[in-house]
Amino acid sequence: KNEVEQSPQNLTAQEGEFITINCSYSVGISALHWLQQHPGGGIVSLFMLSSGKKKHGRLIATINIQEKHSSLHITASHPRDSAVYICAVSTGNQFYFGTGTSLTVIP
Amino acid sequence: DSGVTQTPKHLITATGQRVTLRCSPRSGDLSVYWYQQSLDQGLQFLIHYYNGEERAKGNILERFSAQQFPDLHSELNLSSLELGDSALYFCASSPMGGTSGRLSTDTQYFGPGTRLTVL
Repeated sequence: KNEVEQSPQNLTAQEGEFITINCSYSVGISALHWLQQHPGGGIVSLFMLSSGKKKHGRLIATINIQEKHSSLHITASHPRDSAVYICAVSTGNQFYFGTGTSLTVIP
Repeated sequence: DSGVTQTPKHLITATGQRVTLRCSPRSGDLSVYWYQQSLDQGLQFLIHYYNGEERAKGNILERFSAQQFPDLHSELNLSSLELGDSALYFCASSPMGGTSGRLSTDTQYFGPGTRLTVL
């Protein structure tokens, strides 16, 4: 049983396209995290959400607590956005991770 | 650069051996988290320490143990290593620790990882 499901698993986009990555979860959460993992392996935390919407540059993250769903949007995608995007949720005493969405942005 | 350091970067060892991975958190951060990332299991939460105390345990095997020292650096000890322990091990740090028994919802800053290969 996967507590966190992401879609799509793989995504290829042309530079400039608007991208959406979805995350659904099945547990009660205290926060949801979006992480970015570059080909070299390093992980960066993009957003931490417990409600509503957050924006950072071209990235927007939203969460709907009632629907247990979050989306990560990338506007005007760029080849440097190519990475694996991972959704994670924290419950009272656990973290659960999605399997990641591998994004490739073609120039 | 997140400010979190991990040593060593790479470690190659044999089955049955014991290794120690080290993590130094960002200056001022009191929480350290350990994660394992393997090809078949993805990212998994292992354990969380806050200011020297264990706060939460995830899927950490009994062969694995961790501690956080007074200077806040942390070590993850892996013993009786098996082939399946080959993975990337990340630590992350955050300023706060949540309340007792509950994980912090702080943003976490990840180290570059230690790649462990068990032959």
